[in-house]
Amino acid sequence: AQKVTQAQTEISVVEKEDVTLDCVYETRDTTYYLFWYKQPPSGELVFLIRRNSFDEQNEISGRYSWNFQKSTSSFNFTITASQVVDSAVYFCALSEAGRRALTFGSGTRLQVQP
Amino acid sequence: KAGVTQTPRYLIKTRGQQVTLSCSPISGHRSVSWYQQTPGQGLQFLFEYFSETQRNKGNFPGRFSGRQFSNSRSEMNVSTLELGDSALYLCASSLVGTGVETQYFGPGTRLTVL
Repeated sequence: AQKVTQAQTEISVVEKEDVTLDCVYETRDTTYYLFWYKQPPSGELVFLIRRNSFDEQNEISGRYSWNFQKSTSSFNFTITASQVVDSAVYFCALSEAGRRALTFGSGTRLQVQP
Repeated sequence: KAGVTQTPRYLIKTRGQQVTLSCSPISGHRSVSWYQQTPGQGLQFLFEYFSETQRNKGNFPGRFSGRQFSNSRSEMNVSTLELGDSALYLCASSLVGTGVETQYFGPGTRLTVL
């Protein structure tokens, strides 16, 4: 069975601080996909990134960066120089190859104070 | 390209009634998945439809059902509503056959059962 753990329930930072959201996953599959989604107060889940299990390269997109480490089954997300608009709930998710069912973590609520 | 649309956005029903929610996927996307989001259980996969056939199913009772039409639009139905069915129901669509199975979500339908 798959499992995604986001141990941080809520994080509060002041604008311009860097913040890292942790994600630890469990799966027996050798091929799988990892995702991060953002859920602003409006409710819609916004796709941020997808990683497959064979690609351990870290990725940077503007202020966002992701650190994928298979050795520790982690897929952490860092926001550099946080902004108030980053305030949202962030979800890490996992899917097996060939199955489009996502297993979500419980989410981390990020509050960025001005 | 228009995103995933869901109707209605808000719904209030009473216990014992049934409800039908609708989802129109992104143009060209042929897979539609449904998720339930509650404060207690988080985001949980309900089912996925592709080519008018249910492909995957989550751990929900038979009161939850769905279908997909030839134009890929999907509906989900909940019969004999219970108070615990109050939730945000999210629909997601994805391309099929590209090896890239990212799911893109709609704004959700917030169902309140009184």
